[in-house]
Amino acid sequence: AQSVTQLDSQVPVFEEAPVELRCNYSSSVSVYLFWYVQYPNQGLQLLLKYLSGSTLVESINGFEAEFNKSQTSFHLRKPSVHISDTAEYFCAVSPLSGNTPLVFGKGTRLSVIA
Amino acid sequence: KAGVTQTPRYLIKTRGQQVTLSCSPISGHRSVSWYQQTPGQGLQFLFEYFSETQRNKGNFPGRFSGRQFSNSRSEMNVSTLELGDSALYLCASSLGQIIHEKLFFGSGTQLSVL
Repeated sequence: AQSVTQLDSQVPVFEEAPVELRCNYSSSVSVYLFWYVQYPNQGLQLLLKYLSGSTLVESINGFEAEFNKSQTSFHLRKPSVHISDTAEYFCAVSPLSGNTPLVFGKGTRLSVIA
Repeated sequence: KAGVTQTPRYLIKTRGQQVTLSCSPISGHRSVSWYQQTPGQGLQFLFEYFSETQRNKGNFPGRFSGRQFSNSRSEMNVSTLELGDSALYLCASSLGQIIHEKLFFGSGTQLSVL
């Protein structure tokens, strides 16, 4: 079975400052990793995913995440945040094989302060 | 292309009642998954349907059930409601050939049990 731990439930940060949202996972098999974002009063949207290849993946809005197999981590980073990045961010994991559903972390609420 | 539509948006019920929630997936998507979202537990997987068959099931009591119709629309039912069932219920659809592909979420149904 897989599990995901998001180490911070809330992260306040000033606008234009850098941010890192931490995610660690546990799995006995190889996995795919995802970050989803939930803006207020909306459903979740896929932000980025790691399936294979380069361990650094990027989204279109400036976020990036790096897969670290030895540390079983998939931390999300952005060098300069905007007010519009205020949202809840969920890390998720899925095994490579089989038809098992995504397992989500409990989420990190990012609040960007003007 | 229309997104995932969930109805109703809000529901208020009392303990002991039952409730049915509806989800219309994106056209062409054959997989529908249901998640329960609460502030303390994050997203917890309920079940997933693919081509009218339940393909995966989470660890919820039998009071939680679902079904999928031939047009891929899905419903979930909760019988004998308890206070702890108060949550945001999210539906997500995907093409369904590979379970870990991108999920498209609806905005959810906010259920309050009094």
